[in-house]
Amino acid sequence: GAGVSQTPSNKVTEKGKYVELRCDPISGHTALYWYRQSLGQGPEFLIYFQGTGAADDSGLPNDRFFAVRPEGSVSTLKIQRTERGDSAVYLCASSSDRPPWDEQYFGPGTRLTVT
Amino acid sequence: GEDVEQSLFLSVREGDSSVINCTYTDSSSTYLYWYKQEPGAGLQLLTYIFSNMDMKQDQRLTVLLNKKDKHLSLRIADTQTGDSAIYFCAESDQTGANNLFFGTGTRLTVIP
Repeated sequence: GAGVSQTPSNKVTEKGKYVELRCDPISGHTALYWYRQSLGQGPEFLIYFQGTGAADDSGLPNDRFFAVRPEGSVSTLKIQRTERGDSAVYLCASSSDRPPWDEQYFGPGTRLTVT
Repeated sequence: GEDVEQSLFLSVREGDSSVINCTYTDSSSTYLYWYKQEPGAGLQLLTYIFSNMDMKQDQRLTVLLNKKDKHLSLRIADTQTGDSAIYFCAESDQTGANNLFFGTGTRLTVIP
């Protein structure tokens, strides 16, 4: 079946602009995660959704970052007043949340470049 | 917070074994993972180990866990050129959310 998809694959924006990044999880997966991967680093957790609600948003760096998942499937990561330091690959993952463990399936990422 | 460390680079000759090491700080982690990232591709889960295990073998992959020293290793037997990639060690935050905390990744280069 289809894996996790993310759009766009690349986004170039000017400093100060607003951007939206979209994630389509695997159908039926209840858990959805956003991570950010800066150059030469491992992915860094941003936010976790269980269904429609953000169960843990402790990784969001500041209030310019916000994410929604209104119907419990597609999620959108929103970044206001972008800064050059926001440039990174934004990864989305989903999982079925089946105990005793759940494998997170990652999308290919959206590469965001803020000029 | 959780801190996961890895060496940055490893080069091996094709056919040799590769050993990638990782240290972590969160002793409450229940699962530890190894992910592979190839250029232009998403992260792929290679294998995982439950914290009450010392070793797990899966075909060419062997994971060793030393919980006392908080040290995790991934051994790849008969390394092939297709194994060239970045390998990430990750631990889970078992507060119910299962957020993953990744190391910086080890770039494995396999020399033909």
